[in-house]
Amino acid sequence: NAGVTQTPKFQVLKTGQSMTLQCAQDMNHEYMSWYRQDPGMGLRLIHYSVGAGITDQGEVPNGYNVSRSTTEDFPLRLLSAAPSQTSVYFCASSWKGDETQYFGPGTRLLVL
Amino acid sequence: KQEVTQIPAALSVPEGENLVLNCSFTDSAIYNLQWFRQDPGKGLTSLLLIQSSQREQTSGRLNASLDKSSGRSTLYIAASQPGDSATYLCAASNQAGTALIFGKGTTLSVSS
Repeated sequence: NAGVTQTPKFQVLKTGQSMTLQCAQDMNHEYMSWYRQDPGMGLRLIHYSVGAGITDQGEVPNGYNVSRSTTEDFPLRLLSAAPSQTSVYFCASSWKGDETQYFGPGTRLLVL
Repeated sequence: KQEVTQIPAALSVPEGENLVLNCSFTDSAIYNLQWFRQDPGKGLTSLLLIQSSQREQTSGRLNASLDKSSGRSTLYIAASQPGDSATYLCAASNQAGTALIFGKGTTLSVSS
């Protein structure tokens, strides 16, 4: 199993550009979520999903969009990038019978 | 709203010492609590998960306890080693599949 994979590893955007951060897992996990990690702020939940077709907002959802059309994939879309979205983004997944969270390696995003 | 606090923010110990990392949470109606390890520039690795009905979990030199009534969890590391140097994060979930609220972490440095 590859576990949780994230692409790209690093990205530089200009203010106003849009992009999609990819997240995939091959463990057939029902639950998937996106976090951002900022110095001094810790990890904060952006959006999460309890299954295909079901998503909900976390603590900091503004400026981000998600969808979950398959069990395996949970992409995070930045609609119009802002410097405040410079961060490290982590995707995580878990199985509802256990809920141990498995994290991807992260995507470092720099918005200029 | 659940809030998670970790004290101290940083800790330095000599090799071989037993140590305790502290985590407190404001809402005792938690579903589970997890401890993670994060190495610099890396993703998170789950160490231990404690369900709300459990009091403790053990894995090798690690033991995590949960006291819902006092809103506290501790991570005990026995016979610390330089390889234990990392940031340790605790996170609480209030409902199945609703993802985690993280503390800001304790950065541990073990010197040889």
